[in-house]
This record gives sequence, structure tokens and C-alpha cells, in this order.
Amino acid sequence: GAVVSQHPSWVICKSGTSVKIECRSLDFQATTMFWYRQFPKQSLMLMATSNEGSKATYEQGVEKDKFLINHASLTLSTLTVTSAHPEDSSFYICSARAPTTGLAGAQILYEQYFGPGTRLTVT
Amino acid sequence: QKEVEQDPGPLSVPEGAIVSLNCTYSNSAFQYFMWYRQYSRKGPELLMYTYSSGNKEDGRFTAQVDKSSKYISLFIRDSQPSDSATYLCAMSENTNAGKSTFGDGTTLTVKP
Repeated sequence: GAVVSQHPSWVICKSGTSVKIECRSLDFQATTMFWYRQFPKQSLMLMATSNEGSKATYEQGVEKDKFLINHASLTLSTLTVTSAHPEDSSFYICSARAPTTGLAGAQILYEQYFGPGTRLTVT
Repeated sequence: QKEVEQDPGPLSVPEGAIVSLNCTYSNSAFQYFMWYRQYSRKGPELLMYTYSSGNKEDGRFTAQVDKSSKYISLFIRDSQPSDSATYLCAMSENTNAGKSTFGDGTTLTVKP
């Protein structure tokens, strides 16, 4: 269980165009999804938190007009990189929150399951 | 200073060795501690998570949390070439609305 898919897995686009990346939770409903970017040999940098039915919450320094996030259903969130430039080339990874049984009795822990990532190259 | 510092590595060990991966942190509000494994060009996968201080064992993997020292570790026993990957520690303050803070990762290579 707890499978998250991303599409496409790899995309090349020309500078100035827009690219949409999809993130789907396949076997559970995710009210919250996260979008990260990761540069080579660096850790994940959280870009935004996507909540179903409401506006995304962006991290400081992330341009919300450039990285459009839509969380239209409990199983789908999309990230659109608008007017992409070569510096936007990166590995974009989404994750989805799912409730799991807590360690401390009945306490519910929300864990996040990651998608396989999308490699974006802007030429 | 980063909230989470992870030993940068890289680490290279022979097959069968015991591996120790470590992270320190500065935020005393962190209560949940996770270890992820990430293969090249793939998303991270959750290996283990623990709540508060203590140990947790799962097969060849043992996670330790020492909140008094703000220090967590992941031990891998009888390491295998298939364990070669980047390991990320992550921590969060709460369960419902929090977001995890990640370390930069340690790349491990297990040589046959």
C-alpha cells in the first residue's frame, strides 16, 4: 500500500514554455501533498504544501506565480512550472501524507510517501 | 546553522560491515524521527520512524534517538551491496500539520 506515482518521470522543455507534473496517490486518499525539489547530491527542499480544496502554502523564497499548484482531488496534485528557464532544471518530487498507526497507543501518525520524482531539463 | 545536520559521507564499506549513519539537530520540539533511503534518480522511501527517544529495530536496521543529546542514528548490520544508496534523516514536530525537515543525506556504498 501507500503508493505514490508521478508523471512524467522525465521531461525536456524549451525555455519559456510551461510544464505540468502530476502526483497521484494510488491506493489512499491524501488530503495533504508536498512538493520538493532536489539538486544533485543535495537534500530535498520543500517548495510548497498542497491541501485538497484550498490554496497551496508556499515556502519562503518560492514564487507561487511560477510554480502553480493545484490539488483538485484527494488523489491528485499538480505542479506547473510556468515560463521555465534553465535554472528550473531539477528533480521534482512529491509526497503524500497518509495516516498510519501510531507508536504511542491510539495516537495517529501521519507519514509521507514519496513519488519516484520527475526530472525536468529546460534547454 | 541548519536545523538538521547529517554526516556528509560518502561512506564506503565492505559487504557484511556494520554501518552507522548519524544526524544531529537543534530544534528541541522535534518528536518524530525518520530515516529514508533514496536510490539514484528515485524518490525517497521510508525505512523507519521513531517517536521520542529510544531504539527501534527492524531486521538488519536499528534506529536510535537520543533527545537529550539531539542525536539520532541508523545502524545497518550485515550490510549488503543492495544497501548502497543515499540515506536521509528527517524530523518533524507534530503529526497532523507539521512538515519534516531533512538532512542533506549520506551516500553509502557497500562493496561486494
